[in-house]
Amino acid sequence: DTEVTQTPKHLVMGMTNKKSLKCEQHMGHRAMYWYKQKAKKPPELMFVYSYEKLSINESVPSRFSPECPNSSLLNLHLHALQPEDSALYLCASSQDGLVGDTQYFGPGTRLTVL
Amino acid sequence: KNQVEQSPQSLIILEGKNCTLQCNYTVSPFSNLRWYKQDTGRGPVSLTIMTFSENTKSNGRYTATLDADTKQSSLHITASQLSDSASYICVVTTPQKTGANNLFFGTGTRLTVIP
Repeated sequence: DTEVTQTPKHLVMGMTNKKSLKCEQHMGHRAMYWYKQKAKKPPELMFVYSYEKLSINESVPSRFSPECPNSSLLNLHLHALQPEDSALYLCASSQDGLVGDTQYFGPGTRLTVL
Repeated sequence: KNQVEQSPQSLIILEGKNCTLQCNYTVSPFSNLRWYKQDTGRGPVSLTIMTFSENTKSNGRYTATLDADTKQSSLHITASQLSDSASYICVVTTPQKTGANNLFFGTGTRLTVIP
């Protein structure tokens, strides 16, 4: 199984809503990542979890809150988002986050904030 | 400043033709360079990875080259197919630093293959 799955595929939410994005992998990878991608732009790294610990937070606003309940799951909790947060949110995983790792990306969640 | 620039921004070619995409980077120090293919609305998929000592790597109809001296890479696609229509992203990696982002993404080249 070389797949990273993400749910939901699409999400529309209001600025006062609370929602969560979910990511799952069963490749035994110990590093997991959240990226944000705007249209026609490259992915921007948001968070990195390594061995279930947050190792990188790229100065992301607190309205985005990551959670890694176990080595296979990664959540991104959303609260009080702004319309400019609308984007494709990509999850990725890699063996253990070392330099030679290849990141395997999920299909993404298309988020629209109204 | 660590940057990865790709050209052209977009490209349209006829099915069956070859094309070459360019990636220039200023990232230093350098660990490896990857090319990813990203279909619209999907996550990127790794095509090739090259380290400092490698100057060519092939994956089917995709051939990547790397010149670490000039900090340039290219991705050559042979006998293009309609399914090659996607964005191609060049990603350069620096050596691992604890707590630091070590991946630098290019802006991508949008390839459209037409029948």
